[in-house]
Amino acid sequence: RKEVEQDPGPFNVPEGATVAFNCTYSNSASQSFFWYRQDCRKEPKLLMSVYSSGNEDGRFTAQLNRASQYISLLIRDSKLSDSATYLCVVNRAGKSTFGDGTTLTVKP
Amino acid sequence: GAVVSQHPSWVICKSGTSVKIECRSLDFQATTMFWYRQFPKQSLMLMATSNEGSKATYEQGVEKDKFLINHASLTLSTLTVTSAHPEDSSFYICSTTGQGRGNSPLHFGNGTRLTVT
Repeated sequence: RKEVEQDPGPFNVPEGATVAFNCTYSNSASQSFFWYRQDCRKEPKLLMSVYSSGNEDGRFTAQLNRASQYISLLIRDSKLSDSATYLCVVNRAGKSTFGDGTTLTVKP
Repeated sequence: GAVVSQHPSWVICKSGTSVKIECRSLDFQATTMFWYRQFPKQSLMLMATSNEGSKATYEQGVEKDKFLINHASLTLSTLTVTSAHPEDSSFYICSTTGQGRGNSPLHFGNGTRLTVT
């Protein structure tokens, strides 16, 4: 079993839609959690950190459930520019483990 | 956030040659840098952790004699792919946590796309 698992998608949604991505991690000792966005042939860029209390940044909401070892990302009012691959990242003892990514395509 | 510069952005080389990739931290001193590799449609895989002034720590399955890492200063880490072969063609990316602690988010260089012919 992979340490970090994501639904690969692809998710194809119309503009304005709400879409949710899920991620699970296997090691309960994991310490910090992030969502990154990666555009085609580019480096990953930090989208947001994820906290148990939940956090929101504009149209993006991230949530962590430590009991279920589950992380989510919700995107509201999708824009064409949201099309990318979204990577779930879990840190433990200073080491980052990446999920395989979920590909989102937002269509007009 | 931390600024990391990676060079070159892309390189094409012939099989058997060596390629050096540089990763610089521009606005902070990086005692630790991470080197990742990403094959098409796959996630980033950690190759090694580069520590300033000491030997790099390689992940299981990564040949340390093939992927030479040097971290001689607090602002520069280099990865040299020695005797490159077509199967080494990949996207290589360096990263660091900046001045944060070990579990802080990573900041990435812009990556190097290596094609070995």
